[in-house]
Amino acid sequence: EIVLTQSPGTLSLSPGERATLSCRASQSVSSSYVAWYQQKRGQAPRLLIYGASSRATGIPDRFSGSGSVTDFTLTISRLEPEDFAVYYCQQYGNSPMYTFGQGTKLEIK
Amino acid sequence: QVQLVESGGGVVQPGRSLRLSCAASGFIFNIYAMHWVRQAPGRGLEWVAVISYDGDNKYYPDSVKGRFTISRDNSKNTLYLQMNSLRPEDTAVYYCARGLSGGYNSPFDYWGQGTLVTVSS
Repeated sequence: EIVLTQSPGTLSLSPGERATLSCRASQSVSSSYVAWYQQKRGQAPRLLIYGASSRATGIPDRFSGSGSVTDFTLTISRLEPEDFAVYYCQQYGNSPMYTFGQGTKLEIK
Repeated sequence: QVQLVESGGGVVQPGRSLRLSCAASGFIFNIYAMHWVRQAPGRGLEWVAVISYDGDNKYYPDSVKGRFTISRDNSKNTLYLQMNSLRPEDTAVYYCARGLSGGYNSPFDYWGQGTLVTVSS
């Protein structure tokens, strides 16, 4: 099983700042099959990034993903008030077994 | 527009069974793999099951293997999760989700709103 470790656990920033979230895999993720999701309180997760760097439909370009092999990053270039939420990474390269990271909470400073 | 609507959650005693349903609309259901994902209160996401587009192939993590069964009825555009021998640690919101493309190497692009299952005596 591929274990994903996200850091930091909580990130405190202000609107307009840049956010950098990390996801590290316990082994190589084939074909960079890593996705990022945003989840707001009481809502279902929303797909932001797939294939490590492709934005899903309708996702603003302030969200970007990068990385390969075992190290992946989600960057939000300038935080908007609606971006404060919990973010999860997921690997789907070891399918049909899928794992998620434990999440990073992005909170307003 | 794509819609996934779960139902069937509730309170159930340990050791009992429950069946969840997920009604799909707004897309061609029978060409997509479908998933169940759960989230315990205050915790992260855990993938629970996947079923191929035709229902022939099903996969589970060890935590639910042998107790949970995923199925689908493509004539009714509905996904199911039969949960047997339920344990308190199965308490969670259960989401159904669609694979972005038809195969297994896909992220989950649409999610339902979730249905809460509480396992308690």
